[in-house]
Amino acid sequence: DVVLTQTPVSLSVTPGQPASISCKSSQSLLHGDGKTYLYWYLQKPGQPPQLLIYEVSTRLAGVPDRFSGSGSGTDFTLKISRVAAEDLGVYYCMQTVQLPLTFGGGTKVEIK
Amino acid sequence: QITLKESGPPLVKPTQTLTLTCTFSGFSLSTSEASVGWIRQSPTKALEWIAIIYGDDDKVYNPSLERRLTITKDTSRNQVVLTMTNMAPEDTGTFYCGRGLDHWGQGALVTVSS
Repeated sequence: DVVLTQTPVSLSVTPGQPASISCKSSQSLLHGDGKTYLYWYLQKPGQPPQLLIYEVSTRLAGVPDRFSGSGSGTDFTLKISRVAAEDLGVYYCMQTVQLPLTFGGGTKVEIK
Repeated sequence: QITLKESGPPLVKPTQTLTLTCTFSGFSLSTSEASVGWIRQSPTKALEWIAIIYGDDDKVYNPSLERRLTITKDTSRNQVVLTMTNMAPEDTGTFYCGRGLDHWGQGALVTVSS
């Protein structure tokens, strides 16, 4: 199975400040079709995961542009340019390049 | 508007079979590109992918769970049913169904206990 390792496990951020989450994969997530199948989700308290970004860097419609994804191969990053209060929750990366689909362990973001 | 809702028993006994139903609206599961999948979240918040079914009835299972799983669809009723046999306490968690990977229901908490 592809193992996704997220760091940090948690971080506390002051509103308006940037935040960055890393997701490292045990195998390349580059598919033979040329796409890289790495996704980012946010799970707010008491809610299901919500998709923020797919294929490394494409934001889902309606996702604020303060969220950005980058990376390639095995190393990926989710950045929040200016954290807002509503961004608290647990962020997960996920890969779909190889079965079974797997998730990272999550990064809990708290607002100071 | 896309909505999905999971339903099933909140409590099952060890060795029993769990049957969960996902009832959805706002999209159709009648084309080969469409899909409905299941994931679960353990009490420690770890996420695990379970299975997915496509509109052409293609089914893909997590290999670690495959021998215990069956996923079916009823396109006319906009429902997908997941069955998981031989439930154990470590299967306790919240089960989510979703349209593809981009919309998830609110989840159904299932506890496995005698």
